[in-house]
Amino acid sequence: DAGVTQSPTHLIKTRGQQVTLRCSPKSGHDTVSWYQQALGQGPQFIFQYYEEEERQRGNFPDRFSGHQFPNYSSELNVNALLLGDSALYLCASSPRRQFGETQYFGPGTRLLVL
Amino acid sequence: SQQGEEDPQALSIQEGENATMNCSYKTSINNLQWYRQNSGRGLVHLILIRSNEREKHSGRLRVTLDTSKKSSSLLITASRAADTASYFCATDASFNKFYFGSGTKLNVKP
Repeated sequence: DAGVTQSPTHLIKTRGQQVTLRCSPKSGHDTVSWYQQALGQGPQFIFQYYEEEERQRGNFPDRFSGHQFPNYSSELNVNALLLGDSALYLCASSPRRQFGETQYFGPGTRLLVL
Repeated sequence: SQQGEEDPQALSIQEGENATMNCSYKTSINNLQWYRQNSGRGLVHLILIRSNEREKHSGRLRVTLDTSKKSSSLLITASRAADTASYFCATDASFNKFYFGSGTKLNVKP
């Protein structure tokens, strides 16, 4: 049973560019959340997708957007990249959108903005 | 903010000793989870404790939750060098929207 997978593993972009990160949830999971983790900090919630809609959002600007596909996989898009967007981006999936469900995290995509 | 905050920020112990990490949070929660992260990689789920539970065990891990004090602790017994990692608590108040603290960096010396 494959766990949560993310691609790519590493990415280098320049300021102003756009980036798309991808996530495939664990088998049987339908809810996907995205987190940003700056160096030395804990993960910060970006948003959550369920039934192909954004259900919850953290304190991130509209430059951060996402999508969920019918097979539950998800994309995170970041436009007009800033140096401060350099971070590890983590995807997490859970079996269903209820309280008390364990989230399983992928290995992350490390984004460097130059 | 509902963020959990771990204490201490860093902890260094010898192999075989016990390690205790604490987490405090600000608002009511439905459950609290502990995660481990090795060298900036993905987070590994360790244990989930619900708001109506006071203590939970999993192998060498023991987690307590005191909702009146809005705090939790993670105890790792008989630590090993492989336990060296950062440990985070995450609180869930809204359909798996988790708030993480900045973590405790544990170093277990062989």
